[in-house]
Amino acid sequence: GQQLNQSPQSMFIQEGEDVSMNCTSSSIFNTWLWYKQDPGEGPVLLIALYKAGELTSNGRLTAQFGITRKDSFLNISASIPSDVGIYFCAGQLNNDMRFGAGTRLTVKP
Amino acid sequence: GAVVSQHPSWVICKSGTSVKIECRSLDFQATTMFWYRQFPKQSLMLMATSNEGSKATYEQGVEKDKFLINHASLTLSTLTVTSAHPEDSSFYICSARDGTGVSQPQHFGDGTRLSIL
Repeated sequence: GQQLNQSPQSMFIQEGEDVSMNCTSSSIFNTWLWYKQDPGEGPVLLIALYKAGELTSNGRLTAQFGITRKDSFLNISASIPSDVGIYFCAGQLNNDMRFGAGTRLTVKP
Repeated sequence: GAVVSQHPSWVICKSGTSVKIECRSLDFQATTMFWYRQFPKQSLMLMATSNEGSKATYEQGVEKDKFLINHASLTLSTLTVTSAHPEDSSFYICSARDGTGVSQPQHFGDGTRLSIL
């Protein structure tokens, strides 16, 4: 499917720092999803958001479904080395799911 | 819960060989499964949507005779790359949606790395 606008493309941070990434689209979605992909593996679902304005946490991860239904952000607090990987946002409308280009996160110990 | 198993994880074969990749939902039924292709350092590209008991829906530019999809049961979809050539080398990933609700998230398998010599 078409790409969402995901930023930043990459981040290099020190362990313990907080991270923020976001996705925007010109289209409205019913569901926003955030996945993490490690090298050579499939994406793993981190957080699913179903309602506009919804703010959901999963451990150190927090994500929000934008009020306009056209954007979402993911925050990671107190990063650790195992947070390294590629994070993808995905917007879903019925059977149509579109992915962002990914944010490559590097965490320096 | 919501585990998707993909097999094999790695295939190396000669040009002209046909390769079958299996995608199974282990602890849920999936009326809809999806097949993606991913090039290095790029996002996932949807190839086709696989519907149990009916024909797959292919994305524009994806050859249905090249990439055969069968979704014979609620827990199994297969992708067969027919007469594979080096340009078909890629990382193929399947996903499945838990239940029939279109708002349910997709859960992904671990991918199959296909290398055609």
